[in-house]
Amino acid sequence: IAGITQAPTSQILAAGRRMTLRCTQDMRHNAMYWYRQDLGLGLRLIHYSNTAGTTGKGEVPDGYSVSRANTDDFPLTLASAVPSQTSVYFCASSDHSGTGLYFGPGTRLTVL
Amino acid sequence: AQSVSQHNHHVILSEAASLELGCNYSYGGTVNLFWYVQYPGQHLQLLLKYFSGDPLVKGIKGFEAEFIKSKFSFNLRKPSVQWSDTAEYFCAVKPHSGGGADGLTFGKGTHLIIQP
Repeated sequence: IAGITQAPTSQILAAGRRMTLRCTQDMRHNAMYWYRQDLGLGLRLIHYSNTAGTTGKGEVPDGYSVSRANTDDFPLTLASAVPSQTSVYFCASSDHSGTGLYFGPGTRLTVL
Repeated sequence: AQSVSQHNHHVILSEAASLELGCNYSYGGTVNLFWYVQYPGQHLQLLLKYFSGDPLVKGIKGFEAEFIKSKFSFNLRKPSVQWSDTAEYFCAVKPHSGGGADGLTFGKGTHLIIQP
């Protein structure tokens, strides 16, 4: 089934721990994104990648890093998690036709 | 940088009522506009989009939106809502001349509750 998968579905993490959220798409989309969704703040872009091998910073990149080794995978890493990173994280992808974004099912992360 | 403002954070309607959710954006150039819906416990899904041409666009499930360039608005409408329309609705904008795929800018969302 074509689409985007994210793992894990949810996670509770102690502050200071390192965590990688996984995202894989099978639509061969060039562009991929990571957003966080917080109540009252909507979705905010963390990092993006136009194509494999390139990444860029979004609106709220601090504390997060990404890599894009290939077209399909776009992992998001929290090097040292803090409670303010408690959120729902959505991965998304798009082709360059501008038809909008396809979203994954999300990862609910709680940092204690 | 572009920004999006959604006027209502929470809207409560009865079934069969008409719906209009406001969305305004700020950006000096040409934009692509989107409405996304997020049903409880699910991920975001595209409702409709505007790129060019007819400013009245129709989407899935009976939704439509009108782009009014002079007002920088892209309001979402539905003539008669159903209980199943209960969801979070997000307006989003992308500059047309963005070149690279630097994502969409989202509004903060409107939580719509439809009472049976």
